[in-house]
Formats: sequence, C-alpha cells, structure tokens
Amino acid sequence: GAVVSQHPSRVICKSGTSVKIECRSLDFQATTMFWYRQFPKQSLMLMATSNEGSKATYEQGVEKDKFLINHASLTLSTLTVTSAHPEDSSFYICSARGVFFAASSYEQYFGPGTRLTVT
Amino acid sequence: AQSVSQHNHHVILSEAASLELGCNYSYGGTVNLFWYVQYPGQHLQLLLKYFSGDPLVKGIKGFEAEFIKSKFSFNLRKPSVQWSDTAEYFCAVGVYQKVTFGIGTKLQVIP
Repeated sequence: GAVVSQHPSRVICKSGTSVKIECRSLDFQATTMFWYRQFPKQSLMLMATSNEGSKATYEQGVEKDKFLINHASLTLSTLTVTSAHPEDSSFYICSARGVFFAASSYEQYFGPGTRLTVT
Repeated sequence: AQSVSQHNHHVILSEAASLELGCNYSYGGTVNLFWYVQYPGQHLQLLLKYFSGDPLVKGIKGFEAEFIKSKFSFNLRKPSVQWSDTAEYFCAVGVYQKVTFGIGTKLQVIP
C-alpha cells in the first residue's frame, strides 16, 4: 500500500515554456504533499508543502510564481514550472502523507521522481 | 533550523562485511529520525524510523539504527551486507512537520 506516482518520469522542454508535473497517491488519500528538488550529488531540498484545498507553503528562496503548486484533491498535486530555464533542470520528487497518519507522524511516501531537462 | 550530515558519501564493501553509516543532526529539541533507501532505478523507501522509546530501532531487511541523544547521532548498521543492499541511503530528521535530508551515502556491495 501507500503508492505514489509521478508523471511524466522524464520531460525535455525548451527554455521559456512551462511544464506540469503530476503527483498522485494511488491507494490512499493524501492530506499533505511535499515537493522536493534534488541536484546531482546533493540532498533532497524541500521546495514546498501543500495541503489539500489550501495554498502551498514555500520554503525560503523558492519562487512561488515560478513553481506553481496546486493540490486540488486528496489524491493529486501538481507542480508547474513556469517559463523554464536551463537552471531549472533537475530531479523533482513528490511525497505524500495520508489522512490515516497520526498528526505526530512525519512518515511520507515518495514518488519515483521526474527528470526535467530544459534546453 | 535543523541540519543533517552524513559522513560517508561513498562506501564500498564486500558481501558479508558489516556496515555502519554515520548520521549526525543539529537541533536541540525533540526530533524524529529516519533512514530512507533508494535502490537503483527505484524511488525512496522508508527503511526505519525513530519517534520515541527504545533508541535501538530495527527496520526492514536486517537494518537497525541507534539514536544516541548525547551525540546527536542516528547511525545505521547491518551486521552482514548483501549485494542487494547496493543503494543510496539517506538520513533524515523531522522537526515541526518538516523533514530535512542528509546528502546521502552510496553503498556499493561487491559480490
């Protein structure tokens, strides 16, 4: 149980275009979803936390107008990279916490990630 | 803000060797601690976690970790590694609902 999927797994786009990445919890309802970014040889860096039905909370240094996050349902969150540039090329990973998790639980289930390349 | 440091970035072991991966965190208050594993081509999976109670935590696949509060450490151990343990291991600390990850340690087990 507790499976999280991401789509697409890989995407190549031209500079200036926008790209949408989907994150779905397949067999549980996710009250909270997290978006991370991972650079080569670096750790996962939390970009934002989104709770279903409310605005995402962005980490310091993350441009909310560039990385649009929508968590419209309990099973789907989307990250849209707007006006992408080569420096946005990275590995984006989402994770989700379910309604059945205790409030004190930090346990998250991770998606497989999306490799974004901006040319 | 909390931070996590993993001392070994790349570890190479022969099968049956013992494993210990170091993890230290910086935060003075109550923390929740995790080890995640990412096998080649797969996504992150929870290996084990510590919330409270017995500081020696046992996880899946024979892994265990010990929380030593005085040392701010949560080292991962396995007495005898297998080739299938080849993966990247991430230590993480949770504070106030936010989880911070270490840089990861790549473990390569040679048959």
